[in-house]
Amino acid sequence: QQPVQSPQAVILREGEDAVINCSSSKALYSVHWYRQKHGEAPVFLMILLKGGEQKGHEKISASFNEKKQQSSLYLTASQLSYSGTYFCGTEADMLTFGGGTRLMVKP
Amino acid sequence: DAGVIQSPRHEVTEMGQEVTLRCKPISGHNSLFWYRQTMMRGLELLIYFNNNVPIDDSGMPEDRFSAKMPNASFSTLKIQPSEPRDSAVYFCASSLQGSGRASEQFFGPGTRLTVL
Repeated sequence: QQPVQSPQAVILREGEDAVINCSSSKALYSVHWYRQKHGEAPVFLMILLKGGEQKGHEKISASFNEKKQQSSLYLTASQLSYSGTYFCGTEADMLTFGGGTRLMVKP
Repeated sequence: DAGVIQSPRHEVTEMGQEVTLRCKPISGHNSLFWYRQTMMRGLELLIYFNNNVPIDDSGMPEDRFSAKMPNASFSTLKIQPSEPRDSAVYFCASSLQGSGRASEQFFGPGTRLTVL
């Protein structure tokens, strides 16, 4: 079953922060985050394994609460280059991607 | 490193025609995935191979779709006959998986298919 992402879309000004949430109804082994820019292929950002870890990639970090089967992606001091669609992928038996969150950062 | 290679990049065909999409995964990767992306349905996994063997094809829409991986460096996705609702961007991705757990997937540039 596909994980649910929220919000579906968000518009930011450069320098603002954003949080993207991902939730699943299944017990998860890991959560994966990808970013896809318009007209391009998805690109891997990070994997979070069960154990409640938190990871970071530049000013983008994420957390994974395995008890709630939820993950959040934190974008701090957003840059224009952060614009794109963010997908979470949840791994139970298979890796399944959510519907995506469209993020637009304006100057 | 060439990354995942897909061909063609664009395909326009008429309803009823056969379409073959091709993928060359990253050398050394043992898993290959075919995805379909549309605005309405998002990114859908069609089929997943591990060590050239199809592991899960539950996402393949119907019998018109078939996929093969004859060796570790080549895979095809075939649609016969094609229909307008098959219009989408088809991505191939590969990864190096250990212990049966998912790992970072590297996506190809995609094939944009338009069926008229």
